[in-house]
Amino acid sequence: DTEVTQTPKHLVMGMTNKKSLKCEQHMGHRAMYWYKQKAKKPPELMFVYSYEKLSINESVPSRFSPECPNSSLLNLHLHALQPEDSALYLCASSQRGTGTTTYNEQFFGPGTRLTVL
Amino acid sequence: GENVEQHPSTLSVQEGDSAVIKCTYSDSASNYFPWYKQELGKGPQLIIDIRSNVGEKKDQRIAVTLNKTAKHFSLHITETQPEDSAVYFCAASSTGANNLFFGTGTRLTVIP
Repeated sequence: DTEVTQTPKHLVMGMTNKKSLKCEQHMGHRAMYWYKQKAKKPPELMFVYSYEKLSINESVPSRFSPECPNSSLLNLHLHALQPEDSALYLCASSQRGTGTTTYNEQFFGPGTRLTVL
Repeated sequence: GENVEQHPSTLSVQEGDSAVIKCTYSDSASNYFPWYKQELGKGPQLIIDIRSNVGEKKDQRIAVTLNKTAKHFSLHITETQPEDSAVYFCAASSTGANNLFFGTGTRLTVIP
């Protein structure tokens, strides 16, 4: 299985809602990532989990809360979002965690298209 | 930190012609250079990568070249087909790092 899956595909939420995005991989990868992608832009790194521990938080507002329940799953909890948070949210995984002597070969999921009203 | 520049931003070619996309990077510590293809409404797909210990890598119609001295790398697509139409991103990273530094993307259109 060489796939990263994400649910839901599309999500529309109001600014007072609480929702969660889910990501799953069964490749035995030990690093997982959340990216945000706006239209016509490259992905922007938000969070990195390495061996199920948060290793990078790129100064993301607290209304985004990541969680890594186990090595195969990654969640992104959303609360009190703003319309400017509307974007494609991408999950990725790579084989090894931070600090190892390997290359950062990342595999992306299809993304969740989020619209905040 | 690393800065990756990518050119051109848009590229149109006739079906069957070749397409070349170029990227430059700034950090000499970068030693891994992947290329991603992103189709409309989908996530980026890793299509080829190159490591700094080689100068060229080929996979069927796709090739990537790396010039470490000049700090630039390029994607070459030969015999282009309409299904090659997509946005292509280059990226740079270094061993042990988790950050991928992306270029700004190239929208390739293959005209049938």
